[in-house]
Amino acid sequence: DTGVSQDPRHKITKRGQNVTFRCDPISEHNRLYWYRQTLGQGPEFLTYFQNEAQLEKSRLLSDRFSAERPKGSFSTLEIQRTEQGDSAMYLCASSLKERVIGNEQFFGPGTRLTVL
Amino acid sequence: DAKTTQPPSMDCAEGRAANLPCNHSTISGNEYVYWYRQIHSQGPQYIIHGLKNNETNEMASLIITEDRKSSTLILPHATLRDTAVYYCSAISTGGGNKLTFGTGTQLKVEL
Repeated sequence: DTGVSQDPRHKITKRGQNVTFRCDPISEHNRLYWYRQTLGQGPEFLTYFQNEAQLEKSRLLSDRFSAERPKGSFSTLEIQRTEQGDSAMYLCASSLKERVIGNEQFFGPGTRLTVL
Repeated sequence: DAKTTQPPSMDCAEGRAANLPCNHSTISGNEYVYWYRQIHSQGPQYIIHGLKNNETNEMASLIITEDRKSSTLILPHATLRDTAVYYCSAISTGGGNKLTFGTGTQLKVEL
């Protein structure tokens, strides 16, 4: 399977704990995006990387959130001191920058986080 | 990025065409219209995009009005597997091309 993969698919944690999610993009894609989706809403942009550089962060990304893409391949999203309001589906997507006009993003299956 | 508005839900009989509207009245000249869909519990899936000309691919057709203030996604022969939430988004070609989703249209295809 050469699509975008995310791990874990589900995560249940207690309030105050730290969690980390991983995203593996399509191998030749140099752009990687993180989105968050709550029930009944469309996905909301969090941040994106071009290669290893984090180029934009949404105001939704509080100081408790940090994302990395150290080698320009996989990415991790860490949430520190989780709160119940962090419960959501966290989606990763990748795309190829050079295809600016047809820049469709390919999404992974998401990681569903539940904070108790 | 321009704000988009869509009806919350639509029904369609299997085998008939599904026409899903999107209003993007504040769209600017360099913003493309993108359509994605999300089947329950899966990540969104790209369908089609366009700037000002009508577009067609193996999944759907996209009709953009001449003033570009609205568009319609057409699924020519809807099947039960097309039941999903459909999102339209207006994206500028500059910057990171991040997607902005509204609440979308829940399309229900029935027998």
